[in-house]
Amino acid sequence: GNSVTQMEGPVTLSEEAFLTINCTYTATGYPSLFWYVQYPGEGLQLLLKATKADDKGSNKGFEATYRKETTSFHLEKGSVQVSDSAVYFCALMVSGAGSYQLTFGKGTKLSVIP
Amino acid sequence: DVKVTQSSRYLVKRTGEKVFLECVQDMDHENMFWYRQDPGLGLRLIYFSYDVKMKEKGDIPEGYSVSREKKERFSLILESASTNQTSMYLCASSFSGTRSPLHFGNGTRLTVT
Repeated sequence: GNSVTQMEGPVTLSEEAFLTINCTYTATGYPSLFWYVQYPGEGLQLLLKATKADDKGSNKGFEATYRKETTSFHLEKGSVQVSDSAVYFCALMVSGAGSYQLTFGKGTKLSVIP
Repeated sequence: DVKVTQSSRYLVKRTGEKVFLECVQDMDHENMFWYRQDPGLGLRLIYFSYDVKMKEKGDIPEGYSVSREKKERFSLILESASTNQTSMYLCASSFSGTRSPLHFGNGTRLTVT
């Protein structure tokens, strides 16, 4: 089956620190990969995506590269801000038989302190 | 911008009540989804629909049903609410393309007492 494993949180960083949140996956087909972010009290928002190997998704200073050889899609940001405090979810989608389900990791809570 | 609207932000219901959670999207998306989100368990898919009047079970459909009479609206029904259905419920929608991301509503926090 399909599954996503992401690093356990919570992660606490000081402002301007470098962020990495690890994400690895297993998939029965050729997946698209996504990072979603959930700010306190809100639903999930798409942060970035990549649809084929070696694609790099980027948005708001965050980046992730689709690595098929290591089945990974790690999220990185060079300098985090307090406003980046949120829960981050890695997800994959493999379509088939009319189904377009997302499989999510369990989420990693990030807290950025001034 | 895509808007996915869930009718209630907070709900408190009693055990045994029938509960309706409503979701409306304004982008003519074919697919709609209901997830529940619980601490330590992440998001789990309850039901989804890829067309009007079509529905498919997700990973945890027990105790739930859904209705999709119109393309823009997808309802989640708890026939007889139980305390273990206390959770955050998230609705999402997407186009039918294989690489289309989901767009989420802000969630409904349901408490069953």
